[in-house]
Amino acid sequence: RKEVEQDPGPFNVPEGATVAFNCTYSNSASQSFFWYRQDCRKEPKLLMSVYSSGNEDGRFTAQLNRASQYISLLIRDSKLSDSATYLCAVKAGSSNTGKLIFGQGTTLQVKP
Amino acid sequence: EAEVAQSPRYKITEKSQAVAFWCDPISGHATLYWYRQILGQGPELLVQFQDESVVDDSQLPKDRFSAERLKGVDSTLKIQPAELGDSAMYLCASSLGVEQFFGPGTRLTVL
Repeated sequence: RKEVEQDPGPFNVPEGATVAFNCTYSNSASQSFFWYRQDCRKEPKLLMSVYSSGNEDGRFTAQLNRASQYISLLIRDSKLSDSATYLCAVKAGSSNTGKLIFGQGTTLQVKP
Repeated sequence: EAEVAQSPRYKITEKSQAVAFWCDPISGHATLYWYRQILGQGPELLVQFQDESVVDDSQLPKDRFSAERLKGVDSTLKIQPAELGDSAMYLCASSLGVEQFFGPGTRLTVL
């Protein structure tokens, strides 16, 4: 079993739709969680950190479920420009500067 | 906005040749990471530096890969000799705290 798992998709949704991705992790001691956005052939860009209380940034909402060991990303009112691969990442170890363990990414395609 | 710089952006080489990649982290970021991303997968850590010291190189293929960060600022990753399976995106990231920020990467193609 991989340490961090995502459904690779693709998720094909119409503009304006709400879409949600989940990401499961295996290490219950994990402390920090992130969502990155990666456009084709570009570097991952930090989208959101995921806090225990959840967090929201405009149309994007991230949540953490420690009991079930998953994080989620909700995108409301999808835009064509949201089309990308969304990577979840879990920080290994207790150090603030430990490595990130990534899922394989979920591809989102928003269609007009 | 401060960014991580990497060069070259693209590199094509033949197998058995040597290649080197360079990374300049965001100013003041003490922690520097090199990740490798194979198409269709998430990035995987190769090596992590804290200032000039290696913190984690457990996944670095040390028979052919080497990395250094001599003055604790910029860093070089080298592959010698390159193999076909090394074709991937090599990403450098840096951090001051928990959040890591990536450079544009070097896309390596080994023929």
